[in-house]
Amino acid sequence: LAKTTQPISMDSYEGQEVNITCSHNNIATNDYITWYQQFPSQGPRFIIQGYKTKVTNEVASLFIPADRKSSTLSLPRVSLSDTAVYYCLVDDTPLVFGKGTRLSVIA
Amino acid sequence: GAGVSQTPSNKVTEKGKYVELRCDPISGHTALYWYRQSLGQGPEFLIYFQGTGAADDSGLPNDRFFAVRPEGSVSTLKIQRTERGDSAVYLCASSLSLAGVRHEQFFGPGTRLTVL
Repeated sequence: LAKTTQPISMDSYEGQEVNITCSHNNIATNDYITWYQQFPSQGPRFIIQGYKTKVTNEVASLFIPADRKSSTLSLPRVSLSDTAVYYCLVDDTPLVFGKGTRLSVIA
Repeated sequence: GAGVSQTPSNKVTEKGKYVELRCDPISGHTALYWYRQSLGQGPEFLIYFQGTGAADDSGLPNDRFFAVRPEGSVSTLKIQRTERGDSAVYLCASSLSLAGVRHEQFFGPGTRLTVL
């Protein structure tokens, strides 16, 4: 059973910033929050991982409030190639995926 | 370097037949995972290997499913007496595994299994 809740789908225009919020009310003290991206006919790909506050890499930013009950993946200036399903996971071994958020970027 | 590879990319079989799906992990990755993904769903965990041994097989749906990793590298997922409900994309992932350190999982492209 997935430990996270996120929107089923989102639409965005090219060039906009996209924020996808995920709820994980029962996150454990030792758990990290991890986001994966999946394109059609491919396996998921790691995007970013964080424990608290803010993490940024070349692809995205991850914002985690102090209570850690939610997190927000931020994709700056999306392009058509960012159309994919995005999964929020509470880092476990094994990974427990929900249905993810289907992001559609429109020209 | 080479990523995770899976063969075959597609497999069509008849109900009741036996199938084997192969996964070649990234060299040096000691952890290997099998997942199953149905249309519109996220990947569902099946089994996890640490080296040669199955560290967690709680996701295997029943005793028709079995996986091995005899030399701690390549893994084979075996499905006996296939059923139409086994049709899905079977994903393999591998990762480093060092105590106290979290590592990302690298996924292969998957094997699409169709049971007629």
